Amino acid sequence: KAGVTQTPRYLIKTRGQQVTLSCSPISGHRSVSWYQQTPGQGLQFLFEYFSETQRNKGNFPGRFSGRQFSNSRSEMNVSTLELGDSALYLCASSSLQDYGYTFGSGTRLTVV
Amino acid sequence: GQQLNQSPQSMFIQEGEDVSMNCTSSSIFNTWLWYKQDPGEGPVLLIALYKAGELTSNGRLTAQFGITRKDSFLNISASIPSDVGIYFCAGHQMDSNYQLIWGAGTKLIIKP
Repeated sequence: KAGVTQTPRYLIKTRGQQVTLSCSPISGHRSVSWYQQTPGQGLQFLFEYFSETQRNKGNFPGRFSGRQFSNSRSEMNVSTLELGDSALYLCASSSLQDYGYTFGSGTRLTVV
Repeated sequence: GQQLNQSPQSMFIQEGEDVSMNCTSSSIFNTWLWYKQDPGEGPVLLIALYKAGELTSNGRLTAQFGITRKDSFLNISASIPSDVGIYFCAGHQMDSNYQLIWGAGTKLIIKP
């Protein structure tokens, strides 16, 4: 079966702009989580959506937001980009039957 | 955010050596997951553990869910060059609303 698909793979934006990243989970998976990973750092949890509802949220400013659609696809948005937002953004989906999360390859965002 | 205590932070090993890393917490966990991340990619699930005392193998990898439910370890036997990467532990605490808690990662480097 197809894995988790994240688009775009790479993105370059200018400080102050906004960006939207997309994640298509594995078919049948209703939970989608988003993480930020900066070079040499671990995974910082952004938020998790389940059946179109935000179920958990990490400690990120309000500039970071997300949503989930009825087909479980999810988007995250970052407004007023800052240089420190440059990172690998990872999406993971889960069926919750086994609690294991399957990750996409990520979107590499560079803010200049 | 809340994290598991994962150690060591990094390991320099010779090819063929066995490797051991662990995660500990002051809280009780219901599941333990071990992931490996290659550079520029999303983490890949290696082993999932669901019961205290459970010992599970995946090829040269073996992981155990601690009896106290507050720790887990991952062993890699006879390491090979493709084992290089960052290994993460993660888990679900009791009453955590399904939120996954992550360790900071163990970077495995093979000495030339």
